[in-house]
Amino acid sequence: TQLLEQSPQFLSIQEGENLTVYCNSSSVFSSLQWYRQEPGEGPVLLVTVVTGGEVKKLKRLTFQFGDARKDSSLHITAAQPGDTGLYLCAGPSGTYKYIFGTGTRLKVLA
Amino acid sequence: DTGVSQDPRHKITKRGQNVTFRCDPISEHNRLYWYRQTLGQGPEFLTYFQNEAQLEKSRLLSDRFSAERPKGSFSTLEIQRTEQGDSAMYLCASSFGGAKNIQYFGAGTRLSVL
Repeated sequence: TQLLEQSPQFLSIQEGENLTVYCNSSSVFSSLQWYRQEPGEGPVLLVTVVTGGEVKKLKRLTFQFGDARKDSSLHITAAQPGDTGLYLCAGPSGTYKYIFGTGTRLKVLA
Repeated sequence: DTGVSQDPRHKITKRGQNVTFRCDPISEHNRLYWYRQTLGQGPEFLTYFQNEAQLEKSRLLSDRFSAERPKGSFSTLEIQRTEQGDSAMYLCASSFGGAKNIQYFGAGTRLSVL
């Protein structure tokens, strides 16, 4: 059974700090996606990484896919209160199914 | 296009009652997913439709759960004889497929079973 484990589970930081959250698996994924979810809303896709070792940047967010395609990280530079939310990684499992990680709940304090 | 819409947004029911949720996907999307999300967890896959065909269903899904997508447009998820453990957020997502298969999620239906 494929599993995606995220760490840390919770993170509370001050505005302006940097942070990294991790998504790990013992299985190889053909791609991984990162989502952000705000309370009362559905997840919103941030990025998809496909190639081992790939790095993608989205403004202050940097996403990396591990060389072996078993893990990924999300680094946020100079966090802002608007970055607050639940960060989820997800990947395809089988032909149609997607599995999601356990999530990292981030709170950025002003 | 207004995105994926789900109805109702909230549903409170008594244990043993049946409930039905509706999802209207983005119009040109042929793929539709249902997920369940409990507090503090990531979404858990329930089922997948490609057009009107239900191609995958989670083994964790009991016989009390059934989903349909008549004519490949909107979809319904029915839970019969609800139990307190069914309390969760039920999310619907749609996509157009392709290499990255970007899923667009609705805001979800929050179910509370008393």
